[in-house]
Amino acid sequence: DVKVTQSSRYLVKRTGEKVFLECVQDMDHENMFWYRQDPGLGLRLIYFSYDVKMKEKGDIPEGYSVSREKKERFSLILESASTNQTSMYLCASRPGRETQYFGPGTRLLVL
Amino acid sequence: KNQVEQSPQSLIILEGKNCTLQCNYTVSPFSNLRWYKQDTGRGPVSLTIMTFSENTKSNGRYTATLDADTKQSSLHITASQLSDSASYICVPFFSGGYNKLIFGAGTRLAVHP
Repeated sequence: DVKVTQSSRYLVKRTGEKVFLECVQDMDHENMFWYRQDPGLGLRLIYFSYDVKMKEKGDIPEGYSVSREKKERFSLILESASTNQTSMYLCASRPGRETQYFGPGTRLLVL
Repeated sequence: KNQVEQSPQSLIILEGKNCTLQCNYTVSPFSNLRWYKQDTGRGPVSLTIMTFSENTKSNGRYTATLDADTKQSSLHITASQLSDSASYICVPFFSGGYNKLIFGAGTRLAVHP
C-alpha cells in the first residue's frame, strides 16, 4: 500500500513564527503536492513538485514556500505564519497521471 | 472557468437507506473524474475513477455514473452503513494542465442509526 505520512497531525503556532510541515511518501512517486482545505471550499493547490528540486506554484502560493531535496520528501514552509493560514494542510503524491494518494493531514492553528 | 459544484452540501440518512450525491462540472478539456471519500480529520481516499467513455463504475456499495455530454456525475450509495459517514468529493481531471485536479467542496454525509 502507498503510504504518505505528515510530520504532525495538529500544530499550534503564533503569528510571525516560521512553520515547517513535512511530508514523506514511500512509493517513489515523481509528483508531490501541498493543498489546504477550508470549510465550504474544495482543496486548493498551494505548490507541487514533479521532481527533486523542481517546484511549481499552484493556485494559492502566497505566503508559502516549498523544498524538495529528496524524492520522498516534500516540505511546506510558512515563512511568517499569519492567522489566515489556520487551516487543514494535506500532502499528496502521485505516479505520473494516476490516482493521487493523500496523507492524513495537519491541522494548523495560528494564534 | 473550471468549476465543480456538488449537491447537496450535506445530507442525513438512516442506516440501511440509499442515497445519491450529485456533481456538475465545467472542466474542459476533460480527461477523467474521480470520487474521493474523506473521513473527518483524515486525508481523502479514492473510491472510483472514470474516464470520459465510461458511464457507470461500481466499487462495492458505491456506484458512480458519468455523463460527459452534460458534464454530470453522481455517486450512489446502497444500503448505507454508519462507516459511510464522511465527506464525498468529486474531482474532475483537467487534461489541459499537467497536474490540474479541480476539487469540489464535497457533500458531507451523516448516517444515523
